[in-house]
Amino acid sequence: DAGVIQSPRHEVTEMGQEVTLRCKPISGHNSLFWYRQTMMRGLELLIYFNNNVPIDDSGMPEDRFSAKMPNASFSTLKIQPSEPRDSAVYFCASRGQMNTEAFFGQGTRLTVV
Amino acid sequence: GNSVTQMEGPVTLSEEAFLTINCTYTATGYPSLFWYVQYPGEGLQLLLKATKADDKGSNKGFEATYRKETTSFHLEKGSVQVSDSAVYFCALTDTGRRALTFGSGTRLQVQP
Repeated sequence: DAGVIQSPRHEVTEMGQEVTLRCKPISGHNSLFWYRQTMMRGLELLIYFNNNVPIDDSGMPEDRFSAKMPNASFSTLKIQPSEPRDSAVYFCASRGQMNTEAFFGQGTRLTVV
Repeated sequence: GNSVTQMEGPVTLSEEAFLTINCTYTATGYPSLFWYVQYPGEGLQLLLKATKADDKGSNKGFEATYRKETTSFHLEKGSVQVSDSAVYFCALTDTGRRALTFGSGTRLQVQP
């Protein structure tokens, strides 16, 4: 298996623009997580899906952030409008029904200027 | 709620030195415990795990024992190498198998 695949790996955008991050989980996994990593706040859970349904979105910073999982093999995290304080590395992770651990993608480094 | 506390870094060691990175946790029920490692520019990789009290997880010379009485899961390695330089994260999931809760990470620097 190719693992969790995220795209793009790097994104530089101007403040106010819309940004869409993409994730393909490991085939057969039924849980998907979006995390954000910054020096100041470490790893923060943004949202968690189980069987394509959002279970916990309490970590989504504000209404500018939205996440979808239209099917078991694809998820998006959208920021609209983006702000410089959104600059971070965003990780997607997935977990199978029989696993306790989650498997992480390589991350998307977002820079908002 | 759940929380994980790790020792502050960076930890700087010479090659072949003994490593301990402390991790304690707060959780309801019987969580599963993990150590993840992050190399520069990469995602997090599972290093080892333990799913019940007194279990010992081990991988690549690293070990950690699930101590319920002290709510701890300290990471140890007998002889570190330069290639072990990375950031190490302690994490847990609770009995509801929700999302992972991470500690703040500990940067390890191993000098030749």
